[in-house]
Amino acid sequence: GQNIDQPTEMTATEGAIVQINCTYQTSGFNGLFWYQQHAGEAPTFLSYNVLDGLEEKGRFSSFLSRSKGYSYLLLKELQMKDSASYLCAVSRVYKLSFGAGTTVTVRA
Amino acid sequence: EAEVAQSPRYKITEKSQAVAFWCDPISGHATLYWYRQILGQGPELLVQFQDESVVDDSQLPKDRFSAERLKGVDSTLKIQPAELGDSAMYLCASSDRDREGTEAFFGQGTRLTVV
Repeated sequence: GQNIDQPTEMTATEGAIVQINCTYQTSGFNGLFWYQQHAGEAPTFLSYNVLDGLEEKGRFSSFLSRSKGYSYLLLKELQMKDSASYLCAVSRVYKLSFGAGTTVTVRA
Repeated sequence: EAEVAQSPRYKITEKSQAVAFWCDPISGHATLYWYRQILGQGPELLVQFQDESVVDDSQLPKDRFSAERLKGVDSTLKIQPAELGDSAMYLCASSDRDREGTEAFFGQGTRLTVV
């Protein structure tokens, strides 16, 4: 099995930076995904990390440390449309398991 | 753009009734997932198919839930009888089995309300 932990909620101001942490314990780890989910909608893919280090994609970056069982998603230059739930998901042998999600609220 | 199709989008049913959800994955995707998402929580895997075979149904309440993917393409998830606690969003996702690390693509989901 696996335990995937991430904070429940975070609030930040428009234009700011927010870092969402995710810790996991699992066997057979392959990689880690981050998904964004707006209220009432389906999750959409943001990033995938398989090797240690930082992956940057526009305003969003994701980091992975396999030895520490730790990842974070960094959202820069926050916009109102970034208000959503952010899901950390662990991949092992093609099985995808999700954390409970972190609800990010962006304030003007 | 290819997408995962699900129907219906919304379903209201009375407890003890039967209900079924349908999913058509992206063409060529061998892996199909059914997830249940309760409001405020992350998606919970119910069943995973590789082609027509079930590879993981450890979290599927088999006394009332069933899932099939007879030809390895579209899939149906059934609940019989429905209970109040089954009210949730049911999400279908698919991915390309042959490329580890490719993301799962989600359908719009079926919002089930049991009354």
